[in-house]
Amino acid sequence: GDSVTQMEGPVTLSEEAFLTINCTYTATGYPSLFWYVQYPGEGLQLLLKATKADDKGSNKGFEATYRKETTSFHLEKGSVQVSDSAVYFCALSPDDKIIFGKGTRLHILP
Amino acid sequence: KAGVTQTPRYLIKTRGQQVTLSCSPISGHRSVSWYQQTPGQGLQFLFEYFSETQRNKGNFPGRFSGRQFSNSRSEMNVSTLELGDSALYLCASSLQGYNTEAFFGQGTRLTVV
Repeated sequence: GDSVTQMEGPVTLSEEAFLTINCTYTATGYPSLFWYVQYPGEGLQLLLKATKADDKGSNKGFEATYRKETTSFHLEKGSVQVSDSAVYFCALSPDDKIIFGKGTRLHILP
Repeated sequence: KAGVTQTPRYLIKTRGQQVTLSCSPISGHRSVSWYQQTPGQGLQFLFEYFSETQRNKGNFPGRFSGRQFSNSRSEMNVSTLELGDSALYLCASSLQGYNTEAFFGQGTRLTVV
């Protein structure tokens, strides 16, 4: 069945470092792809999305490109801030449900 | 515009009891989905309702059930609670479900003792 695999955490970086969180997926058809973020004690917030191959989603300095040939949707940010510390979930939506990866906890040190 | 509201935020129940969780979606949203989040299994899809009809269901036992009312509010019920049901239960609402942005509530933290 459809699934999402993302890199294990936690990931610890210094402020202003470059961030990459890897995400690959398995799906039949052409699902929409998402990155969600969960701050401590809160629900999930949509960070960015892409609905078709080669689409680039971007928001708050984060970017991810829908790569059909490598079945990947890696999350990147050029310069992270302490406020980016959170858990990041890669996800796909083949139909009326969302399938999530296990999540990657990100710690940014000042 | 008000966000997705889940009540209660925290709940402690005893094994064997049943529990009902509530979710009020964003006004105008007709799709409500439920997810279970645990440290071991991550986020798992429970079910999705659209216009009072269950459209999709995850791989959970029949003890987990839900419903949606005509005003799109949804409830989730878990009967005969087990220790393993302890989790954060998240509700998400969207305009129509598939391919439309899902907005999540803050969740209900259920602890079964």
